[in-house]
Amino acid sequence: NAGVTQTPKFRVLKTGQSMTLLCAQDMNHEYMYWYRQDPGMGLRLIHYSVGEGTTAKGEVPDGYNVSRLKKQNFLLGLESAAPSQTSVYFCASRPGQRHQPQHFGDGTRLSIL
Amino acid sequence: QQQVKQSPQSLIVQKGGISIINCAYENTAFDYFPWYQQFPGKGPALLIAIRPDVSEKKEGRFTISFNKSAKQFSLHIMDSQPGDSATYFCAASAGSNTGKLIFGQGTTLQVKP
Repeated sequence: NAGVTQTPKFRVLKTGQSMTLLCAQDMNHEYMYWYRQDPGMGLRLIHYSVGEGTTAKGEVPDGYNVSRLKKQNFLLGLESAAPSQTSVYFCASRPGQRHQPQHFGDGTRLSIL
Repeated sequence: QQQVKQSPQSLIVQKGGISIINCAYENTAFDYFPWYQQFPGKGPALLIAIRPDVSEKKEGRFTISFNKSAKQFSLHIMDSQPGDSATYFCAASAGSNTGKLIFGQGTTLQVKP
């Protein structure tokens, strides 16, 4: 029972490079989320999805794009990485019913040089 | 109005002591208040959650106290243990169909043996 799996776990990029972070969940959850975690700022929502084929902006969406072509996968893309995007990125998923907990992956640590 | 303010930023407690972390919110539409626990290198995991129709919820050594009129809620860890050393986040959700959570800034707890 893997839960939420994030790939890769670590990555170093140069400014201007692009990359995609993959999140996969095996719990058949409807909702999925991408957060970034920075010291002293908690977790901030980047984008989220309430179902296959749907995405929406969160609190800090600029510089990121997402896609949810399959229910179990939620991809986060950086088209042109900037040093300000150095962070730890977490994916989460949860069932569609109200007041259900979000289940988190173990994060991707991304450094932009 | 969407913010959740968490304090203190860091906390040091002796083994066997009581750890208290406080959170305050402004949005009266919030109707779900979870606490998450995060160990280094791992994603946050749900610890305990409360809804505003109750003033207290207890699970083992962990208790949430909720004050609806003051728009505050707190986490109490009784008989704190070194294994409780982690970062704790409070969060709030407005019960919409998106399940979005607004997180506090986090509290790093160290329990000394």
